Amino acid sequence: TQLLEQSPQFLSIQEGENLTVYCNSSSVFSSLQWYRQEPGEGPVLLVTVVTGGEVKKLKRLTFQFGDARKDSSLHITAAQPGDTGLYLCAGADQTGANNLFFGTGTRLTVIP
Amino acid sequence: DAGITQSPRYKITETGRQVTLMCHQTWSHSYMFWYRQDLGHGLRLIYYSAAADITDKGEVPDGYVVSRSKTENFPLTLESATRSQTSVYFCASSGLTRVEPQHFGDGTRLSIL
Repeated sequence: TQLLEQSPQFLSIQEGENLTVYCNSSSVFSSLQWYRQEPGEGPVLLVTVVTGGEVKKLKRLTFQFGDARKDSSLHITAAQPGDTGLYLCAGADQTGANNLFFGTGTRLTVIP
Repeated sequence: DAGITQSPRYKITETGRQVTLMCHQTWSHSYMFWYRQDLGHGLRLIYYSAAADITDKGEVPDGYVVSRSKTENFPLTLESATRSQTSVYFCASSGLTRVEPQHFGDGTRLSIL
């Protein structure tokens, strides 16, 4: 099992603040996906990053894939209550076994 | 509407009973997956299927059985439910490979008393 550690596990911030969540592993991945899960629903894909060092922006969300493709970060600017949810990263195995490994998640609460 | 549908959304049963969770997708995706989500463990893969009549074990398959006679359906059966199987179960699908972004259903919350 390739362990994907996400930090922090829980984060509670005021509306308008900035935040960064991290997804780290000792394994190299061919790509990494970020999902957001809202209460009572399944995870929904936000973005896929493929190239080491890649940065993708989705409105106020900025995703970065580490140069060595072992880690990733998600930065949210000016958080809003609608950003509340569980953020999951998932790494695609590069060994050819074609497994997708999910992290344990960061639960974000944005207080109005 | 196209999508992935799980049923039931909520289920309460007793230990030793057989329970089947249903999953139906309308995209004709090749791959389908079953996960369980528990606090502190994240999403753990139970079983997956690459196509009709092709299934394989994931990380935590013990106590579960799957079948896939049709591309669009992928039921998960707990043959003799145990309390440790209390969890939220998610079905997901992806088009061509196991590592493509997955589309998830809204989950089944299963409580075993």
